[in-house]
Amino acid sequence: SQQGEEDPQALSIQEGENATMNCSYKTSINNLQWYRQNSGRGLVHLILIRSNEREKHSGRLRVTLDTSKKSSSLLITASRAADTASYFCATDAGDYKLSFGAGTTVTVRA
Amino acid sequence: ETGVTQSPTHLIKTRGQQVTLRCSSQSGHNTVSWYQQALGQGPQFIFQYYREEENGRGNFPPRFSGLQFPNYSSELNVNALELDDSALYLCASSLGFGAGTEAFFGQGTRLTVV
Repeated sequence: SQQGEEDPQALSIQEGENATMNCSYKTSINNLQWYRQNSGRGLVHLILIRSNEREKHSGRLRVTLDTSKKSSSLLITASRAADTASYFCATDAGDYKLSFGAGTTVTVRA
Repeated sequence: ETGVTQSPTHLIKTRGQQVTLRCSSQSGHNTVSWYQQALGQGPQFIFQYYREEENGRGNFPPRFSGLQFPNYSSELNVNALELDDSALYLCASSLGFGAGTEAFFGQGTRLTVV
């Protein structure tokens, strides 16, 4: 079973627009991570936010975390065609594994 | 490139057969985790190896087994293949495990069971 659930399942935007996707999870976490996957290949780590952090930035990425609501959001600003990919949130409960959601597929139209 | 390599990249097997997938971890990493990703789903944790010992296991049957070698490379073995085993198998290497440890993923092995 999936720990996290992403919303929406799919997103189509114009180049230059912002893309926002959300992740909800069920149990307590130590941190939450976001990954990108291109064309069903390997996962690329984007950003990690710890449970005591509320917001984090990395380049065009902005992640928020609300532990009271057990939810996180990933914002990609000024999207590019190269941002077309699937995005996954993964929760880390402090043990040995990551628990992934089902992902959001983002398509950036030129 | 993460420095984690998996082989083969694609594989087709017949139901009931056995398969071995291989993962070479990033230099210096002593921990390898394996994940199964079915089409349209997120990765599901199979198990983790730390210093050649199984360190944790997800909800997968015993016909999924693994090994880690002294150089920290790893194998995933699946016996008695079923159609539902068709998936992308990902390995991730890290230096240790636990909260906040960054895992580096390979490009995966696409297994098709017919």
